[in-house]
Order: sequence, then structure tokens, then C-alpha cells
Amino acid sequence: EAEVAQSPRYKITEKSQAVAFWCDPISGHATLYWYRQILGQGPELLVQFQDESVVDDSQLPKDRFSAERLKGVDSTLKIQPAELGDSAMYLCASSETGTSALSTDTQYFGPGTRLTVL
Amino acid sequence: GQQLNQSPQSMFIQEGEDVSMNCTSSSIFNTWLWYKQDPGEGPVLLIALYKAGELTSNGRLTAQFGITRKDSFLNISASIPSDVGIYFCAGQRAGSYQLTFGKGTKLSVIP
Repeated sequence: EAEVAQSPRYKITEKSQAVAFWCDPISGHATLYWYRQILGQGPELLVQFQDESVVDDSQLPKDRFSAERLKGVDSTLKIQPAELGDSAMYLCASSETGTSALSTDTQYFGPGTRLTVL
Repeated sequence: GQQLNQSPQSMFIQEGEDVSMNCTSSSIFNTWLWYKQDPGEGPVLLIALYKAGELTSNGRLTAQFGITRKDSFLNISASIPSDVGIYFCAGQRAGSYQLTFGKGTKLSVIP
């Protein structure tokens, strides 16, 4: 069964360091999402890509977070510099399409990267 | 950001019992989704609902899309130990890709 792949699964870093997370969506899925999930909460969207283009990054803290999907397939989310409050699970999800006309589009999640900032 | 009201927050049940949890919103959604998340893993889709009033089953799981489009519930029948985890509801509005999640219901099953 096709799955969303993420790496690393766990990352421990010190504050002010840079970290990067990688996601490989399900093959053929045009839309890719990065979510942040704080312990005890549901996931919250950070950024959405349609192919290689950013569709929505309104919730992304752009002073320290960046995301790219250069070839429209896999994606990288970077934090520089990391802060204590960034400790969370970072989830990647993908869907076949993400156009607004298709509200029934289903998102499938990867296993996540658990980030701990010391 | 906005999150749905999901209840109960947590529940402890005996193996074999039925479970019910629900999700409510002050606004209308066109799609309701139920996910299960195991510790240290990403959410796994259980059931997707696309029409008001729709009742959908997936094995021992049954979910309904409320008629008002502002709520949904999930039932698990004859619970087993592997049902342990956190169950999240998520809503999607018409014409939008965005998912709004509840805070989750943590289920513990006592053998």
C-alpha cells in the first residue's frame, strides 16, 4: 500500500540550531501539506503545495520557517533558528488534488517527525 | 487556530464494550473525517463522510454526518485492545482544502 514517507522520525536539537525535515508523498499525489501537532492538540496546517507552488502558507512563521517542493514531488521543511516552542510533531500529508472545487479530496498522513528543542 | 469541539477528552472502557464519541462545530462543514493516531505515529484515516445524514461503516466502526452539518459521531462496537489510541475528527468546508481538527478523544481499553 502506498504511504507518505517522512524522515527523520525523531530529532533532538538545541535552540538556535537549524533543523530540516523531509517528506515524500504518495506517488502521483499533486498536493502536499505540512502540519504541526502540539502535544494534546490536533494537527494545524503550516503550508500547502500544489505541485511545486505554495498555495497557502498563511500559518507558516516565515521569520524562521521555510518550505520547498522544488520538483513538485518530495518536500523539505526547515526551521532556522529553532526555538523551545517549536517542540512538536511535524506531519506531512498528501492528496491527489487540492483544487477548491474538490472538497471531497482526502489527505493521507505520514508517520511524522517528533522534534524536541532543548 | 480554530478547532472543533470533540468529546469526551478521554475514556476508559472494558474490552468488549461499545464506544461513542462526537464532534461539534459552530459552523457548517461539507466533509467530516475520522482519524486514529497511535503514539508516535501520524493519523490514519478511518472513515470519510461527504453528505449530511450519511451513515458509514468500516468494520466495527460506524460514523454519521449530522443533519445540521455541524456535528458528527463515531461509534466503535465490541472494543478490543488494539482500539487504544487517540481519535480525531476533522471537518472540511465547501470549496476549501483545509482540514480543521478536534483536540482528540483518548481511548483506553482495559482487557
